[in-house]
Amino acid sequence: AAGVIQSPRHLIKEKRETATLKCYPIPRHDTVYWYQQGPGQDPQFLISFYEKMQSDKGSIPDRFSAQQFSDYHSELNMSSLELGDSALYFCASSPQTGTSGEEETQYFGPGTRLLVL
Amino acid sequence: EDQVTQSPEALRLQEGESSSLNCSYTVSGLRGLFWYRQDPGKGPEFLFTLYSAGEEKEKERLKATLTKKESFLHITAPKPEDSATYLCAVGRPSGNTPLVFGKGTRLSVIA
Repeated sequence: AAGVIQSPRHLIKEKRETATLKCYPIPRHDTVYWYQQGPGQDPQFLISFYEKMQSDKGSIPDRFSAQQFSDYHSELNMSSLELGDSALYFCASSPQTGTSGEEETQYFGPGTRLLVL
Repeated sequence: EDQVTQSPEALRLQEGESSSLNCSYTVSGLRGLFWYRQDPGKGPEFLFTLYSAGEEKEKERLKATLTKKESFLHITAPKPEDSATYLCAVGRPSGNTPLVFGKGTRLSVIA
């Protein structure tokens, strides 16, 4: 079965640089979520999109922005990177309402490991 | 504020030694309780979704149960390959909402 695809899988950046993370949801999933997971921590919600509109916002820094495109893929743009941004970034997607009976279930991608030096 | 508390933080079992992981939650209206397995450096792998008290789901050596205040993940006769961090999360009443995760239980199964 198709899974959530994230790219790149690993990224090394210098402080104050920018980074763009990409997420391709499972086909026919219309909702995308972004989470950040620091070492030894649980995933923390950043932002989500439903049908290309922002649907919820969590602890996302103002330096970060995101969008969902017409093909439902999403990009997380991170600027003025700081050392504390080093983490695993996960994208998750959930099915369209009415398609599976478990629309709330989120399926996670493999993550992008970001290291800021 | 929604809260999810998992216990124990870490659990070490001998191969074949059954046990249970606990997830207690407080949420203003539950719209799904979710169990995930996470291996180091990997994305959370979906295991179960539970919606109502009394519901149970099974998959291989794992069985998840739900009450009004907590959920249990029972592991029967575990094997070393079951070693991972098990995460519990809750969803809130309105659709397409983010998950609130617990800190997880790190399970080690020793051969």
